[in-house]
Amino acid sequence: AQSVTQLGSHVSVSEGALVLLRCNYSSSVPPYLFWYVQYPNQGLQLLLKYTSAATLVKGINGFEAEFKKSETSFHLTKPSAHMSDAAEYFCAVIVNAGGTSYGKLTFGQGTILTVHP
Amino acid sequence: EPEVTQTPSHQVTQMGQEVILRCVPISNHLYFYWYRQILGQKVEFLVSFYNNEISEKSEIFDDQFSVERPDGSNFTLKIRSTKLEDSAMYFCASSLVGEQYFGPGTRLTVT
Repeated sequence: AQSVTQLGSHVSVSEGALVLLRCNYSSSVPPYLFWYVQYPNQGLQLLLKYTSAATLVKGINGFEAEFKKSETSFHLTKPSAHMSDAAEYFCAVIVNAGGTSYGKLTFGQGTILTVHP
Repeated sequence: EPEVTQTPSHQVTQMGQEVILRCVPISNHLYFYWYRQILGQKVEFLVSFYNNEISEKSEIFDDQFSVERPDGSNFTLKIRSTKLEDSAMYFCASSLVGEQYFGPGTRLTVT
């Protein structure tokens, strides 16, 4: 069965500092990987996705993530944090034995990002 | 930009009552999902729906739950007899292929 682990339930950075949110997955078949962001009292917004094309994926709001098969990781980064990045971030995976990119999402437990002035 | 909408935003109900949560997916999407997030816990998959039938469901989705797409636009989740532990945020999502787009959620409070 597939699973997703996010290391660190809370990450705190200063404005302008590098953001690094960690995600590791386990899957017996090639996964489709996603990062979602949830602002307070809002739904889940897709930041970026990996669907077996380029291993370095660029998303919205300056975020990017790199798929590393050897490390089973899909960490999310942003070079310079902004106050508006404060939110909860979820890594999620679709594992479909048929190789298709639709199916249930399995989520990590989430990482709350705090940005200090 | 098209978006998934959900109503109501907040529903309070008494234990044992039936509730229906409503969603309007993005119009050309083919796959529909319900997820829930109990306060402080991770987002959990409930059910997926494709071609007018359930394609996958989780252990949570027992006989008390049902889904329906009564017309070409709405997608509903019914809980027949609510329990205290059903209190959660319920998210609807839809997809064409690949990424799923989520609605803002319905906060269900069972008292």
